[in-house]
Amino acid sequence: SQQGEEDPQALSIQEGENATMNCSYKTSINNLQWYRQNSGRGLVHLILIRSNEREKHSGRLRVTLDTSKKSSSLLITASRAADTASYFCATSGGSNYKLTFGKGTLLTVNP
Amino acid sequence: DAMVIQNPRYQVTQFGKPVTLSCSQTLNHNVMYWYQQKSSQAPKLLFHYYDKDFNNEADTPDNFQSRRPNTSFCFLDIRSPGLGDAAMYLCATSRSLRQSKETQYFGPGTRLLVL
Repeated sequence: SQQGEEDPQALSIQEGENATMNCSYKTSINNLQWYRQNSGRGLVHLILIRSNEREKHSGRLRVTLDTSKKSSSLLITASRAADTASYFCATSGGSNYKLTFGKGTLLTVNP
Repeated sequence: DAMVIQNPRYQVTQFGKPVTLSCSQTLNHNVMYWYQQKSSQAPKLLFHYYDKDFNNEADTPDNFQSRRPNTSFCFLDIRSPGLGDAAMYLCATSRSLRQSKETQYFGPGTRLLVL
């Protein structure tokens, strides 16, 4: 299975702090994506990093990918209460069309 | 705005009573997906349509069926809902199946409660 595993399962921080979430996976991938899900809502795509990329930025988001360790991290800088959500990594690999999601990290940003 | 729409947002059904969830998209994407997400779990792909071609995941129960009458609409039919089918059902779209380049666009989900 390519399923990603996020770490930690839950993270609680204060507004203004940085939040780091990690994802590990098992097999080779084409890309790794991060999605956000607000409580009771659908998923929103945040960022995609290809297997030949090591780091990618988008606004306050920074994603790294280490294919040798089969791991990725998502850093949210200067967090806001509105960043409170679950964050999922998802992988696809080979000829597999599927996105396989991890179980997610629940981030709570306290005002 | 272009988007993925799911109706209803909440659906209550009785044990064994067929139920249909609907999804529509204005993105004109070729691929539509249905996921099941149980509480505090990862979304699990049930099946997808590439245009009119239906692709069922190997572990999707026969109780779950889908229809895609046109590009814009896709339905999830649960023939005989059991208590274990209570979950959030997410519809998603993508332009193609080339996951190396494509992202998926999700609807807000329908939360199904089975009594």
